[in-house]
Amino acid sequence: EAQVTQNPRYLITVTGKKLTVTCSQNMNHEYMSWYRQDPGLGLRQIYYSMNVEVTDKGDVPEGYKVSRKEKRNFPLILESPSPNQTSLYFCASSLSQGAWETQYFGPGTRLLVL
Amino acid sequence: RKEVEQDPGPFNVPEGATVAFNCTYSNSASQSFFWYRQDCRKEPKLLMSVYSSGNEDGRFTAQLNRASQYISLLIRDSKLSDSATYLCVAQNNNDMRFGAGTRLTVKP
Repeated sequence: EAQVTQNPRYLITVTGKKLTVTCSQNMNHEYMSWYRQDPGLGLRQIYYSMNVEVTDKGDVPEGYKVSRKEKRNFPLILESPSPNQTSLYFCASSLSQGAWETQYFGPGTRLLVL
Repeated sequence: RKEVEQDPGPFNVPEGATVAFNCTYSNSASQSFFWYRQDCRKEPKLLMSVYSSGNEDGRFTAQLNRASQYISLLIRDSKLSDSATYLCVAQNNNDMRFGAGTRLTVKP
């Protein structure tokens, strides 16, 4: 089954404690991205990757890091989380940049930073 | 000003009703447009792309007006299962801009 998986699905942490949210896709997609969703603001892109070892900033990259060492994985790293990073995070992948009709989203990770 | 604006709703309609959602976008360079559906606490899923000529998929019709920078979604014969939040998206190269969503509740 074609899917994007994220872990963990729910996370409560404290300010400053480094965390990683994993994202994996099994569709051999080249393009992957991370979004955060906040009430009244819609989804905003954090980072994206057009292929292995190619990443770039989206709309709201401050406070986040990503890496793309393998095609299937695209982890999101919060080196020093702060309360304003409390949000619902979605990973997404598509066949390639521009193939937006093939875009799938993961189930989401709900993060609370105290 | 948000790049993609939608009426947040909620829209509460009876089963069988026709409902229309509107969306405006500010970036005239936007190339592609989409409607996504998002159920409560779930991930967004692509509902349909929006083409300049307009397109229809069953009970759903999407329209694009580039001159007015306006996108619409029409749902005919609403079903209970149509209850969800509908997200409008305007895309330019790598930049996908999502609206905050319009919430629809279809009641028996």
